[in-house]
Amino acid sequence: AQSVTQLDSQVPVFEEAPVELRCNYSSSVSVYLFWYVQYPNQGLQLLLKYLSGSTLVKGINGFEAEFNKSQTSFHLRKPSVHISDTAEYFCAVSDEAQGGKLIFGQGTELSVKP
Amino acid sequence: NAGVTQTPKFRILKIGQSMTLQCTQDMNHNYMYWYRQDPGMGLKLIYYSVGAGITDKGEVPNGYNVSRSTTEDFPLRLELAAPSQTSVYFCASWTGVNSPLHFGNGTRLTVT
Repeated sequence: AQSVTQLDSQVPVFEEAPVELRCNYSSSVSVYLFWYVQYPNQGLQLLLKYLSGSTLVKGINGFEAEFNKSQTSFHLRKPSVHISDTAEYFCAVSDEAQGGKLIFGQGTELSVKP
Repeated sequence: NAGVTQTPKFRILKIGQSMTLQCTQDMNHNYMYWYRQDPGMGLKLIYYSVGAGITDKGEVPNGYNVSRSTTEDFPLRLELAAPSQTSVYFCASWTGVNSPLHFGNGTRLTVT
């Protein structure tokens, strides 16, 4: 069965600093990877997804992620964070392209301080 | 558009009580899902539906039931509430084409 591990439960960072949120997944023949963001008291929103093609995926709000098949990783990065990026971030995997049956990681709480 | 609407937002239940969590979407999506979110555990799939009249179990279905009589509605039923069902429940829908899941804002349920 698929599994996802987010290596950091909390990441504190100062405003305008770069950030990387780490995600590893269990290996599979075909895998589709997603990052979702959850702002307080809201549902989840899709940040970006990897289905195939270029391993560097760009998403909304200046985030990007790199699919690394040899290391089974899909780390999320942003070169300069803003206070408004404070939220919880979830990495997720599916074995169905664009499917809604997702296996989620435990979540990483990003806290951006002024 | 309202998107995915969940009611109620909050609920406190006593052990053994029953309740239905409501989920409605106005986007004519065929696919709908129920997830539960526990602190430090991410989200886990409870049940899903690929269209009216069709439902199937997800990863953690025990203690829950669903029905899908219309495209719009996908209620989640708890028959005998237990403390282990204390969680935040999210409903989501999806078109089945190149688009993301649309999540509701969640129902926070406490069972005491």
